[in-house]
Amino acid sequence: SQTIHQWPATLVQPVGSPLSLECTVEGTSNPNLYWYRQAAGRGLQLLFYSVGIGQISSEVPQNLSASRPQDRQFILSSKKLLLSDSGFYLCAQTRAGPVGYTFGSGTRLTVV
Amino acid sequence: DQQVKQNSPSLSVQEGRISILNCDYTNSMFDYFLWYKKYPAEGPTFLISISSIKDKNEDGRFTVFLNKSAKHLSLHIVPSQPGDSAVYFCAARGYSGGGADGLTFGKGTHLIIQP
Repeated sequence: SQTIHQWPATLVQPVGSPLSLECTVEGTSNPNLYWYRQAAGRGLQLLFYSVGIGQISSEVPQNLSASRPQDRQFILSSKKLLLSDSGFYLCAQTRAGPVGYTFGSGTRLTVV
Repeated sequence: DQQVKQNSPSLSVQEGRISILNCDYTNSMFDYFLWYKKYPAEGPTFLISISSIKDKNEDGRFTVFLNKSAKHLSLHIVPSQPGDSAVYFCAARGYSGGGADGLTFGKGTHLIIQP
């Protein structure tokens, strides 16, 4: 079965500090991978997606970047965090079979 | 331009009654619709889906209805249980954005089941 691991579960970072959130998947190969952010009252916002190693597409301009160094690893980064980067970050992969995603458990980021 | 709209940010329903969550869309090219359920501090989990060639799909207490002429779908939960309290996201696939797999999400409806 497909499993997504995200860590850390919660993170409190000062403004201006760097960020690195990691997502790894198991039970599948060559998945499409996604980073979403759920901000208060704004639903699920797609940030980045990747269809393969080194291939990153950005949906919205922002202070964040993403990388896919390995087939099953997806990393969300920032060099200098802003207060507006606070939110709940979710990694997702396309699941096998019917249309839809499998989501990770998420990371709650608070920038102070 | 919001292609998938959930106009009710929250909905309160008494336990045992029917919960009806609504979703409207604007893109007639969407070919698949899905509902996800999300508890606080957890990732969304897939609940039920429907192809655009159907008008109803049922799975236990959950039924999704699709009205293509009105570009409207709804999720019915009956009977509603306390564990159904969560945020429900409507999503649609149309390869017009939303990444490689083309899923576009609504903003979610917070369902509260009252005892």
